[in-house]
Amino acid sequence: NAGVTQTPKFQVLKTGQSMTLQCAQDMNHNSMYWYRQDPGMGLRLIYYSASEGTTDKGEVPNGYNVSRLNKREFSLRLESAAPSQTSVYFCATQTDPTNEKLFFGSGTQLSVL
Amino acid sequence: GESVGLHLPTLSVQEGDNSIINCAYSNSASDYFIWYKQESGKGPQFIIDIRSNMDKRQGQRVTVLLNKTVKHLSLQIAATQPGDSAVYFCAESHTGGFKTIFGAGTRLFVKA
Repeated sequence: NAGVTQTPKFQVLKTGQSMTLQCAQDMNHNSMYWYRQDPGMGLRLIYYSASEGTTDKGEVPNGYNVSRLNKREFSLRLESAAPSQTSVYFCATQTDPTNEKLFFGSGTQLSVL
Repeated sequence: GESVGLHLPTLSVQEGDNSIINCAYSNSASDYFIWYKQESGKGPQFIIDIRSNMDKRQGQRVTVLLNKTVKHLSLQIAATQPGDSAVYFCAESHTGGFKTIFGAGTRLFVKA
C-alpha cells in the first residue's frame, strides 16, 4: 500500500520546456489535488479534481493544465516552463471533499533555469 | 505565531518541554481546521483536526484549541521530543468547499 506516489522526485528544466508531473494513488479516494510550496508561502492550490471526470482551478492555475486520467491518476502539465514555476509540487488526495484531511505524496522538486 | 503569507516563524524548545504553536485563520466561514507536520524532504502529514462545534480536541501528546471568537487556533505538543522537529502548518476549510487554505507554517526546533 504505497498511498500517494509522485514522479519524478526531482526535475530541472530550461525556460520554455514542457513536462508532466505524475501522481497516482491506491487509496481509492475520490478527490485529488495539486499544490505548490514556495518558501514562506505555505501550500497554494493549483488545480483539483473533486471526482473522476472533473477538474477545477485553484488559487494559482496560470501556466498549468491537469488531467484526471482515471480514479487513480491525476497529472499536472507545464506547457512552457518559466522560472516563476520553480517550486516543490505536492499531490494530495481526500476521501471526501467535504471537510476531510488530505493525504500527501512526497513531492517533486522542480527547478526552471 | 503563524499567519498566512508572512515569513516562517521559528519556535525553539528544550526536549521534554511543552510546545505551543499558534495560528490566526482568516475565513469566518471556515468550520474545519487541521494541523499538519512536514519533515524535511517529505510531504505534509496529518496530525489532528477539529470542527467548529468543538473548542478542544486531544490526541496522543497533541491538543488542538480553537477560539472562534478571535479566529485563533493552537497546537500544543506535550513532552516535546527531537522527532517533533519539523514545520507545522495549520489549515482551514469550510463545508462543501474543496479548497483547503494553508498557513505559512512554523518551524519547530527541539534542543536535546
